[in-house]
Amino acid sequence: QVQFVQSGAEMEKPGASVKVSCKASGYIFTGYAIHWVRQAPGQRLEWMGWIDAGDGRTKYAQKFQGRVTMTRDTSATTAYLELSSLTSEDTAVYYCARAGRTGVVEGFFDHWGQGTRVAVSS
Amino acid sequence: DIVMTQSPDSLAVSLGERATINCKSSQSLFYSSNNKTYLAWYQQKPGQPPKLLIYWASTRESGVPDRFSGSGSGTDFALTISSLQADDLAVYYCQQYFITPHTFGQGTKLEIK
Repeated sequence: QVQFVQSGAEMEKPGASVKVSCKASGYIFTGYAIHWVRQAPGQRLEWMGWIDAGDGRTKYAQKFQGRVTMTRDTSATTAYLELSSLTSEDTAVYYCARAGRTGVVEGFFDHWGQGTRVAVSS
Repeated sequence: DIVMTQSPDSLAVSLGERATINCKSSQSLFYSSNNKTYLAWYQQKPGQPPKLLIYWASTRESGVPDRFSGSGSGTDFALTISSLQADDLAVYYCQQYFITPHTFGQGTKLEIK
């Protein structure tokens, strides 16, 4: 079955960077895009961008341009999210999620990781 | 960006009764070239990631009970639970995937009366 396992909780200081991993299994990794969505305490879900696991193309939300990097390792069937210049406003649970249609990078999300809690505090 | 607004923010319904959650988008989510509406609904239980319930506004995801249904067109949508079960206690979100950034509603908390 399709499954995503994300890396563990992180605690970072303001100005630092964080890298979250998302290990996929149960499907052909390169056939789908992976999206990243975050949820700050008490806030709505916020889309951050996607990476095409096949060719590595990316698209980021304008809000995160310049400080977000999404990568993937096809041999490890793992996607990564790196966010730099962290502030307290980046405190959130970060989810990876699979695009619901093979070969179509954008759309709804049919499988999600369990989430990675990132706390930013001095 | 497309703004998604849900109503109400919270809803208390008795077991076995119908629950309806509304979602309004700031622009149409209908794409005439393929006759599809780019709206999804998710259920999120405490401590869990969201779970896809409905996509294309009214297509139920595999394994989702048929008491869940989606309706609407253009800019106005609804998620209906025909007969509320205790397991349906959750926060429900609508999401547009018509354009990026994909945006979500603020969520509707469904409680058991």
